[in-house]
Amino acid sequence: GESVGLHLPTLSVQEGDNSIINCAYSNSASDYFIWYKQESGKGPQFIIDIRSNMDKRQGQRVTVLLNKTVKHLSLQIAATQPGDSAVYFCAESPPGKLIFGQGTELSVKP
Amino acid sequence: NAGVTQTPKFRVLKTGQSMTLLCAQDMNHEYMYWYRQDPGMGLRLIHYSVGEGTTAKGEVPDGYNVSRLKKQNFLLGLESAAPSQTSVYFCASSNHEDNEKLFFGSGTQLSVL
Repeated sequence: GESVGLHLPTLSVQEGDNSIINCAYSNSASDYFIWYKQESGKGPQFIIDIRSNMDKRQGQRVTVLLNKTVKHLSLQIAATQPGDSAVYFCAESPPGKLIFGQGTELSVKP
Repeated sequence: NAGVTQTPKFRVLKTGQSMTLLCAQDMNHEYMYWYRQDPGMGLRLIHYSVGEGTTAKGEVPDGYNVSRLKKQNFLLGLESAAPSQTSVYFCASSNHEDNEKLFFGSGTQLSVL
């Protein structure tokens, strides 16, 4: 069946380092992808999105890369801060649907 | 602008009891959704609505009912709660033009004993 998976369930990084969170998707018809951040006890918060006609999109300290050839999505966080500690999950959108991955927990060490 | 507001934040039910989760959004969004989030399962869509007076089933609708009597409100009902419905419930909304970009509430932690 359809699935959006994450390569690592947990990721620990040193404060100030860059973080890379990966996501594999399975639906070739997906044309829109989103990264969400979910802090403990809160709802998911939109971070950044990308359409399938793009390979890269940058935001403030975050970059999303899309490789359609291997159906891979990544979120890069520059200069990771303690406030970045959260669960990050991707979502893919084939027409008419939105499929969420299970999440990667990012832990930032001071 | 509060965004998406859910009430209550926590609730404990006994098996067989009923309750209604309330969701309100002040962004004038057309689309509203109810998801449940369980460990290892990700977010799963229960029901959704594309406008006032309309609702549709999502991925896991059994045991739940919904109503969208007003554009800003989306109610999720459990008529006879079961332990399998222990979960964190999230309401979300989106606008018509950018409907995949969801704005989420802060969640309701529900335990059914």
